[in-house]
Amino acid sequence: SQQGEEDPQALSIQEGENATMNCSYKTSINNLQWYRQNSGRGLVHLILIRSNEREKHSGRLRVTLDTSKKSSSLLITASRAADTASYFCATGTGANSKLTFGKGITLSVRP
Amino acid sequence: KAGVTQTPRYLIKTRGQQVTLSCSPISGHRSVSWYQQTPGQGLQFLFEYFSETQRNKGNFPGRFSGRQFSNSRSEMNVSTLELGDSALYLCASSLQKTGGNEKLFFGSGTQLSVL
Repeated sequence: SQQGEEDPQALSIQEGENATMNCSYKTSINNLQWYRQNSGRGLVHLILIRSNEREKHSGRLRVTLDTSKKSSSLLITASRAADTASYFCATGTGANSKLTFGKGITLSVRP
Repeated sequence: KAGVTQTPRYLIKTRGQQVTLSCSPISGHRSVSWYQQTPGQGLQFLFEYFSETQRNKGNFPGRFSGRQFSNSRSEMNVSTLELGDSALYLCASSLQKTGGNEKLFFGSGTQLSVL
């Protein structure tokens, strides 16, 4: 069963615009991660945020985590056509847990 | 450093056959996880191995099995294939025991089609 649920399911924006994707989860977590997947390929890790952190940045990426609302958001600023991909959030819940993925958001960036 | 290598990249089998998929983790990584990805179900966790021991197992039937060798390479086997087993099978490695606490490095996957 999916722990994280991303929203929206699909997003289409113009190059240069910002893209915001949201993830909600149900149980307490140890960390939340975002991954990107280009069509038919493996996933690439983008960023990991731990439960005691509220915000992290990596280049054009900004991730926030609100544990009281059990939600996270991924912001991609100044999007590029190369950002076109599926984005997944994944949650880890403890020392012996597995990483559980949501169903993903399809982002299309129009040139 | 070479990334996670999965072989074969594509596989076509018929119902009832069995299949073995291979995964070589990044050098030095001792944990290997397997996921099944389908359009309808998304990424579903199959199992995780660390130092040749299965640490975690997903909710899949016994037809799905795996193992890890002393060099950390891993294989997964699916016996008596069904049409519903058609999927992209992804392997991921991490340095330590994953426990869902580390980032995963994924291979490009094996696309299995069952006819």
